[in-house]
Amino acid sequence: AQTVTQSQPEMSVQEAETVTLSCTYDTSESDYYLFWYKQPPSRQMILVIRQEAYKQQNATENRFSVNFQKAAKSFSLKISDSQLGDAAMYFCAYQESDKLIFGTGTRLQVFP
Amino acid sequence: SAVISQKPSRDICQRGTSLTIQCQVDSQVTMMFWYRQQPGQSLTLIATANQGSEATYESGFVIDKFPISRPNLTFSTLTVSNMSPEDSSIYLCSVVGVQETQYFGPGTRLLVL
Repeated sequence: AQTVTQSQPEMSVQEAETVTLSCTYDTSESDYYLFWYKQPPSRQMILVIRQEAYKQQNATENRFSVNFQKAAKSFSLKISDSQLGDAAMYFCAYQESDKLIFGTGTRLQVFP
Repeated sequence: SAVISQKPSRDICQRGTSLTIQCQVDSQVTMMFWYRQQPGQSLTLIATANQGSEATYESGFVIDKFPISRPNLTFSTLTVSNMSPEDSSIYLCSVVGVQETQYFGPGTRLLVL
């Protein structure tokens, strides 16, 4: 069965600095999607970034980028120029056949 | 992305009662899902809501406890039946939008006393 592991329960970063959140997954498939979702205190799940496994190029969305290492089954999220509004729970997710499997999440704190 | 709404946004219920949660999408979507997020936990898929047929449940979830309806391509309901305090969770619906990406509703926060 596919699993998603986030080994960092909590992370903190200074405003304007860069932080990297780790995620590894286990699958025997070659075609799948990976996502990072953000869940602020409002509990709304917000899509941060998406990666297609067949694409070697790492996805980027403004200040958010990923380091996708398919052979290592690693999918880390880098947040540059961190802002106070980035404080939230971040969930890594693996998708195959429209089903999402989530990691346990990383709580990110941003200090001024 | 589609605009997704859920009703109610939160509720406090008594043990043994049932609550029906509604999920409305502003456009037709093929795939809809229901997730549960227990306190301090990640999201777990309950079932896929199939239009015109019975929902497909994940291991550990059964139709008698979580009946789901999907009468059309924009609407679904999830009922939490015979509730106990262990059912206190956030329940979220999601839909598959462009590029195979799931988008989530705002969630329903349920507290069972």
